[in-house]
Amino acid sequence: DAMVIQNPRYQVTQFGKPVTLSCSQTLNHNVMYWYQQKSSQAPKLLFHYYDKDFNNEADTPDNFQSRRPNTSFCFLDIRSPGLGDAAMYLCATSGDLAKNIQYFGAGTRLSVL
Amino acid sequence: AQKITQTQPGMFVQEKEAVTLDCTYDTSDQSYGLFWYKQPSSGEMIFLIYQGSYDEQNATEGRYSLNFQKARKSANLVISASQLGDSAMYFCGGTDKLIFGTGTRLQVFP
Repeated sequence: DAMVIQNPRYQVTQFGKPVTLSCSQTLNHNVMYWYQQKSSQAPKLLFHYYDKDFNNEADTPDNFQSRRPNTSFCFLDIRSPGLGDAAMYLCATSGDLAKNIQYFGAGTRLSVL
Repeated sequence: AQKITQTQPGMFVQEKEAVTLDCTYDTSDQSYGLFWYKQPSSGEMIFLIYQGSYDEQNATEGRYSLNFQKARKSANLVISASQLGDSAMYFCGGTDKLIFGTGTRLQVFP
């Protein structure tokens, strides 16, 4: 009964070739987040949506974009992936703004060749 | 903004023993929350436990408890009766955009 679903689990792309990662949720949560996690590091927040309002972190590269066409879906677009973008990308949702407890998907591991 | 510090890169514990994972935080907010996530090797982040700054009692969820000491700005995770399946990375986080510490890798041995 996965509630936050990320597809695909593994993605291989070529240097410079645009790639899109997807996330869907069945929790009807207002907020959806995208994190990047490199090996042996903590997840790093890239951006989040509160409903349709997009909130970008100041240090997120312009190469990373996001779309949220409806409550259930959110996409991460990497316009021109570099070798340094190889990482685990985690999607999370939150419906409790007071506690901000987030529920994560299983992640998409991106490789860049 | 919050800052979260985890000073133990790795911890070992024998099965059935208790273990404490350390977390300290720094914030200027009056109201805040702290929590712990578990990340197995498969990669998903699993929510374990939450503590609000105004909660009078330490949070408890099954074998997990949070030793919250506000004056010391610490929010240590206590896992009782460790199991082999507890082997994973553990991240302490704060509710300010869910800032994470650097994590502690826990290994449970038989």
